[in-house]
Amino acid sequence: DVKVTQSSRYLVKRTGEKVFLECVQDMDHENMFWYRQDPGLGLRLIYFSYDVKMKEKGDIPEGYSVSREKKERFSLILESASTNQTSMYLCASSRPSSGRETQYFGPGTRLLVL
Amino acid sequence: GQSLEQPSEVTAVEGAIVQINCTYQTSGFYGLSWYQQHDGGAPTFLSYNALDGLEETGRFSSFLSRSDSYGYLLLQELQMKDSASYFCAVRDEGYSTLTFGKGTMLLVSP
Repeated sequence: DVKVTQSSRYLVKRTGEKVFLECVQDMDHENMFWYRQDPGLGLRLIYFSYDVKMKEKGDIPEGYSVSREKKERFSLILESASTNQTSMYLCASSRPSSGRETQYFGPGTRLLVL
Repeated sequence: GQSLEQPSEVTAVEGAIVQINCTYQTSGFYGLSWYQQHDGGAPTFLSYNALDGLEETGRFSSFLSRSDSYGYLLLQELQMKDSASYFCAVRDEGYSTLTFGKGTMLLVSP
């Protein structure tokens, strides 16, 4: 069974703080993703990585950065948190496929920026 | 770019059949996936269609028409535990990324 874990379920930070969200997967997946989920907006891709030290911008990368130093770990960094980054953050991983692309999601981190 | 349209909410009663539609506009198309998310939980994969037609997995079926850029998820013999949000997603032709619809909240009542 694929397991994707995220460092915190709930997090409260203050505006301007640097925030680290950690994600670890145990299935040796090459691909890892960070999404944010907001009511009525669905899941929006922030960044993804298809290999160690590789990263690609998703649809909404502004205000975020990522780090992938090890295959199993993908970190999302909010350099200077702002209130509009209050959201649910979901990490996912997958194995590259020429056909079906199944992403496995972590439980999410609900971040509140005050 | 990609965009997907699905209804925001659908209601049904236990034992009934419900269909959740998804239309998409994409610059490239690999396949249509469906994910289920219970309140407070993680999205989980349900089904995938790359070719036209119906795919059946137990009580759930998914349909795709590539010529119409349209698909649907069919849930039969609804149970209370099926109350959840359902997302359709299109895979990008290049990288292994998915673009998700905004989700359909399914409410199943007794």
